Amino acid sequence: QSALTQPASVSGSPGQSITISCIGTSSDVGRYNLVSWYQQHPGKAPKLMIYEVSKRPSGVSNRFSGSKSGNTASLTISGLQAEDEADYYCCSYALSSTSHVVFGGGTKLTVL
Amino acid sequence: QVQLVQSGAEMKKPGASVKVSCKASGYTFTNFGISWVRQAPGQGLEWMGWISSYNANTNYAQKFQGRVTMTTDTSTTTAYMELRSLRSDDTAVYFCARDLRGAPNWFDPWGQGTPVTVSS
Repeated sequence: QSALTQPASVSGSPGQSITISCIGTSSDVGRYNLVSWYQQHPGKAPKLMIYEVSKRPSGVSNRFSGSKSGNTASLTISGLQAEDEADYYCCSYALSSTSHVVFGGGTKLTVL
Repeated sequence: QVQLVQSGAEMKKPGASVKVSCKASGYTFTNFGISWVRQAPGQGLEWMGWISSYNANTNYAQKFQGRVTMTTDTSTTTAYMELRSLRSDDTAVYFCARDLRGAPNWFDPWGQGTPVTVSS
């Protein structure tokens, strides 16, 4: 069981917007503004899409945005495109004796 | 451009050790750290630990404490991850990723991954 909870799957049609939630605790998501999001296409390495809750690395489309409220972080993708179909993982720094970095279980995004 | 290139696929028997390398280029190696993340077949991402390329400080997930060693060679800008006493459930793709210098934080970019298969 992953430390952060994500929905197993979400879907949307081209042009629509979707939001993926990432539920943590007061020891990780709620405590630190150190949430990041990764996109992973099948057979490929993950790619950083959002860091420090809402910052976008250079080269990442502004269709991707991140936010946080309490113990829940969210990734929103607007104007869905076919190439957005992938797995998405949230990640947070954590105050924990077991691991200082925790991932969500991943969300499969299907573009209908 | 910033790039991390990992060593090739490995097949190991239970009880053996594996050492994966991660050659960095395109940035000042000692200004950053390296995290290692693994992904079992069909599963999600699992953080294993982090090493600062600046001062070799490490931070390992408790699950791997005592079984993993992360090192860096600043002369060749290469990071290494050694995992000992391999079990079948260590079968996974192992990724290195550039991280912050002072503590594990966010990972960009990632290496291409090194498949490790543990089987008798």
